[in-house]
Amino acid sequence: GAVVSQHPSRVICKSGTSVKIECRSLDFQATTMFWYRQFPKQSLMLMATSNEGSKATYEQGVEKDKFLINHASLTLSTLTVTSAHPEDSSFYICSARDLTDEGYEQYFGPGTRLTVT
Amino acid sequence: GDSVTQMEGPVTLSEEAFLTINCTYTATGYPSLFWYVQYPGEGLQLLLKATKADDKGSNKGFEATYRKETTSFHLEKGSVQVSDSAVYFCALIRNVLTGGGNKLTFGTGTQLKVEL
Repeated sequence: GAVVSQHPSRVICKSGTSVKIECRSLDFQATTMFWYRQFPKQSLMLMATSNEGSKATYEQGVEKDKFLINHASLTLSTLTVTSAHPEDSSFYICSARDLTDEGYEQYFGPGTRLTVT
Repeated sequence: GDSVTQMEGPVTLSEEAFLTINCTYTATGYPSLFWYVQYPGEGLQLLLKATKADDKGSNKGFEATYRKETTSFHLEKGSVQVSDSAVYFCALIRNVLTGGGNKLTFGTGTQLKVEL
C-alpha cells in the first residue's frame, strides 16, 4: 500500500521555540493531507486539512497562528508549532489522501512525538 | 454531527480467544466504515473497510459487517494472537467516493492486550 513518512519521529524542544514536522507521501501524490493530534489513550483529533497550493482549513478551536501548515508540493506538507509550550506536547500524526480505484483512501504517517520542556 | 462510539478498553484476552470489539455510529446518509489499527509507537494502518450496508470487510483474520439497521460495525476475530495487541479505532466517512473535504470521524479507540 501507499506509504506516508513523517520526520522527525521524536523531538524535544524548549518552551518558546518552534518545531517543524514534515509529512511526505512517498509513492503517490496527495492533493490533500490532514494533521491530527492524539492525546494519551484518546482518539485522534483533526487539527487541519491541508490542500496543495492553498491555505489550510483549520478545525474549530485550533489556533492557525500557532500551528502553521504549509503544503507546498503534492508530496510534502509541514506543520510548524510556533512558540511551543508544554501543553503542546503530544503525538502528531499526518495523513495523506490518495485516489484509488475504490475511491479516496487515507494513509497515515507513523507520527511524531513532541515533548516541550 | 457524525459520531462513533466504541467499547472502552482495555480488552485483555488469552491467545486463541475470540475477539469482539463493538462499534456503533451516528451519521446522516450512508457513510463508509473503517477499522484502523495502531501498534505501539506507530501511526494508524487501515485494517478493513465497508462502503455500503451488508458489506463485510475482512483482513488478516479480522471481519466486520456493516449493519445499517443497528448502525453497527463490530470487529471480530476468531482466534487472536499476541501480535494482535494494539489499539483499534472504528471510523466513518461520508461521501468517500467524491472526496472533497470529507473527514474521518474516529471513535476513542479500544486497546487490545493478548496474553500467552
